[in-house]
Amino acid sequence: EAQVTQNPRYLITVTGKKLTVTCSQNMNHEYMSWYRQDPGLGLRQIYYSMNVEVTDKGDVPEGYKVSRKEKRNFPLILESPSPNQTSLYFCASSHLTGTSFYEQYFGPGTRLTVT
Amino acid sequence: AQKITQTQPGMFVQEKEAVTLDCTYDTSDQSYGLFWYKQPSSGEMIFLIYQGSYDEQNATEGRYSLNFQKARKSANLVISASQLGDSAMYFCAMREDSGGSNYKLTFGKGTLLTVNP
Repeated sequence: EAQVTQNPRYLITVTGKKLTVTCSQNMNHEYMSWYRQDPGLGLRQIYYSMNVEVTDKGDVPEGYKVSRKEKRNFPLILESPSPNQTSLYFCASSHLTGTSFYEQYFGPGTRLTVT
Repeated sequence: AQKITQTQPGMFVQEKEAVTLDCTYDTSDQSYGLFWYKQPSSGEMIFLIYQGSYDEQNATEGRYSLNFQKARKSANLVISASQLGDSAMYFCAMREDSGGSNYKLTFGKGTLLTVNP
């Protein structure tokens, strides 16, 4: 089954404690991206990756890091989480060419609370 | 200026009736794609329908259709024969495909649809 998986699905943590949210896709997609969703703001892109070892900032990258060492994985790293990073996080992936170019697959989301 | 505008924070519809959710967009790109996603209370993002800027016909997927008016820059979602399970938040999104684009989706703020029995 084609899917994007995220772990953990729910996380409550404390300010300053480093954490990683994993994202993995099984569709051989070149493009992967992280979004955060906040009430009244819709979804905003944090980071994206066009392919292995190619990453770049989105609209709200402050406080986050990513890496793309393998095509299927795109972890989101919060080195020193703060309460303003409490949010719902989504990983998404897609091809960059071909007939399925338009399909952006989203993971199930990770609800993060930073106290 | 906002790239995606959804002017209806909330909408109500009776079961079995049709409903239109509004979306207007702003772009200077010639090549772009418009998307609608459904987000139920459980939180996942469910892809509903896609319209490419060069597509001449309106996209349809089952009970969903996209009323694409390019000159007006609008991409309204029409849900026919509403069901109770359609109650959810609906997001309109755009991807600009010009050179240098990062292919991100730009989302509107959403419309909360409630289907009444």
